[in-house]
Amino acid sequence: GAVVSQHPSWVICKSGTSVKIECRSLDFQATTMFWYRQFPKQSLMLMATSNEGSKATYEQGVEKDKFLINHASLTLSTLTVTSAHPEDSSFYICSANRPGLAIYEQYFGPGTRLTVT
Amino acid sequence: GEDVEQSLFLSVREGDSSVINCTYTDSSSTYLYWYKQEPGAGLQLLTYIFSNMDMKQDQRLTVLLNKKDKHLSLRIADTQTGDSAIYFCAERVGGGADGLTFGKGTHLIIQP
Repeated sequence: GAVVSQHPSWVICKSGTSVKIECRSLDFQATTMFWYRQFPKQSLMLMATSNEGSKATYEQGVEKDKFLINHASLTLSTLTVTSAHPEDSSFYICSANRPGLAIYEQYFGPGTRLTVT
Repeated sequence: GEDVEQSLFLSVREGDSSVINCTYTDSSSTYLYWYKQEPGAGLQLLTYIFSNMDMKQDQRLTVLLNKKDKHLSLRIADTQTGDSAIYFCAERVGGGADGLTFGKGTHLIIQP
């Protein structure tokens, strides 16, 4: 099946620093990728839709200047958490749409756990 | 708005059937999904159903959709210890360029 990877799998950073998370589709090209965040014992919340070659679309309440998304190629999207604060600590999960399939399957990465101290 | 609800826990005995329920509010949902998340792992797509279907069966999994009541269920036959995980119900409203709206997940606990 289709594989989506994320790097790093976990990261600890100090408050005020920026962290970049990568999402890659390993065996298919993804024109659209999605970024979610998941708090402990909570659901996944869609943060933004990342489109290759164009600006990301952010969900209501998500600060686009804080969560910078770049989808520079058909296999890579990055999420940069700028000036991170402890409340940004969460599990960040990306997914990618695999084109050409009728059901628009979304394949999910394994997630990145961010801890801001 | 979109809202997906699930009970948080379900406990079943090994070998019994598990039925995980989900309700959603958006009547314009196009696809409804069930994902499985094991500890430390990513989400695994288990099955999906298109909104104009009533039922779908795939080996031990049976999905039932009651569109009138906006109710979706996942039945796992002959539940095994390896089925222990969190099961997320999700809906897609619109076309392939849309993200999914997830429920909070149901933690399936298997008793020996």
